[in-house]
Amino acid sequence: GAVVSQHPSRVICKSGTSVKIECRSLDFQATTMFWYRQFPKQSLMLMATSNEGSKATYEQGVEKDKFLINHASLTLSTLTVTSAHPEDSSFYICSAPGTGGNQPQHFGDGTRLSIL
Amino acid sequence: AQSVAQPEDQVNVAEGNPLTVKCTYSVSGNPYLFWYVQYPNRGLQFLLKYITGDNLVKGSYGFEAEFNKSQTSFHLKKPSALVSDSALYFCAVRGTPSGNTGKLIFGQGTTLQVKP
Repeated sequence: GAVVSQHPSRVICKSGTSVKIECRSLDFQATTMFWYRQFPKQSLMLMATSNEGSKATYEQGVEKDKFLINHASLTLSTLTVTSAHPEDSSFYICSAPGTGGNQPQHFGDGTRLSIL
Repeated sequence: AQSVAQPEDQVNVAEGNPLTVKCTYSVSGNPYLFWYVQYPNRGLQFLLKYITGDNLVKGSYGFEAEFNKSQTSFHLKKPSALVSDSALYFCAVRGTPSGNTGKLIFGQGTTLQVKP
């Protein structure tokens, strides 16, 4: 079945560092991918919709300059957390819609980001 | 506005007993409804969906859900719970059909605890 690979699974770094997270659709093409943020035992908060070949669409309240999204190919979207600070520590998850109509989204395994 | 509500933060059941995780929704138009399960530090796994047709939907791992239009509900059920079913469950809706790229709106999540 369709698989979405997210890398890295865990990142621990110092405050001020920029961190890049990759999301790949392994056996299908995704013109759209979604990036979510999840706090402990809470629901997923949609941050932005990544669009292949064009600018990402950000949800209200999400800083575009803080969370840079690039969707350079039909199988790869990246989220870069720039100049990360401890408050950016969270669990970040990407997803891609399956091919065909009304298919469920396929989720990556998430990235645990810890900023010291 | 579209929304999904999971009224229970946690559901506790004994192994072998039936389980129900509740979900109600509010959307304009016909709802596309989904259930996902999340294990610790992992992404979301698709369980089942309702698009149209039979109100009783069967999904993965013995789970099923019943779509009730009059009550705007889509409760998740399983006849006999397993300890391994313990996880975080999310109900989601895609309210406005827009091909396969529509955004999902998630409920708050319900933690299912199955005790031996």
